Amino acid sequence: AQKITQTQPGMFVQEKEAVTLDCTYDTSDQSYGLFWYKQPSSGEMIFLIYQGSYDEQNATEGRYSLNFQKARKSANLVISASQLGDSAMYFCAMREDPNTGNQFYFGTGTSLTVIP
Amino acid sequence: EAQVTQNPRYLITVTGKKLTVTCSQNMNHEYMSWYRQDPGLGLRQIYYSMNVEVTDKGDVPEGYKVSRKEKRNFPLILESPSPNQTSLYFCASSPTGSGRYNEQFFGPGTRLTVL
Repeated sequence: AQKITQTQPGMFVQEKEAVTLDCTYDTSDQSYGLFWYKQPSSGEMIFLIYQGSYDEQNATEGRYSLNFQKARKSANLVISASQLGDSAMYFCAMREDPNTGNQFYFGTGTSLTVIP
Repeated sequence: EAQVTQNPRYLITVTGKKLTVTCSQNMNHEYMSWYRQDPGLGLRQIYYSMNVEVTDKGDVPEGYKVSRKEKRNFPLILESPSPNQTSLYFCASSPTGSGRYNEQFFGPGTRLTVL
């Protein structure tokens, strides 16, 4: 079974609008970490935001926020006020409890295109 | 500058010719990992290491070897490359522990083509 599911292969958003990229995860651990990474066309992997499973508040980093719904096992990335430079691949990732395993799992990614 | 370096960045080789992709980090991180990225499949973990002399298989370890003799280095070895190992490879490192410290720092990637 997939540990991380990203169901949107491609998304379009108008410049200055907000966009939500979906991510659901599968784990039986109580403690885990969720991450979002951005990969522009140049290929590097850029860390965006982190959410711990015990964090009560949704994580925010500038224009990025993570809509964490633990019961639904979802960790959607919200980008506010989209910019042309936001056009990239976005990957959701999870690390499970280090006491049970030390793997990182990535989703298949969502390609975001920001339209002027 | 804190970074993860990989070499080479690009490599074209032929089936069966042993190769090594080097990875080095200068952040004193315990955890290091190798991924391959293929279109439509995202990143898949090949091997990871929690510390020196400790390595474990990820989801796609077949056809790969790793070693961790020093904390800073984590080379990826393809002893007999095949065309299905043509991919973009990333090395990453992170400190261990819970919380934000689990963030992984990625190298620039190595694009490997096996003919």
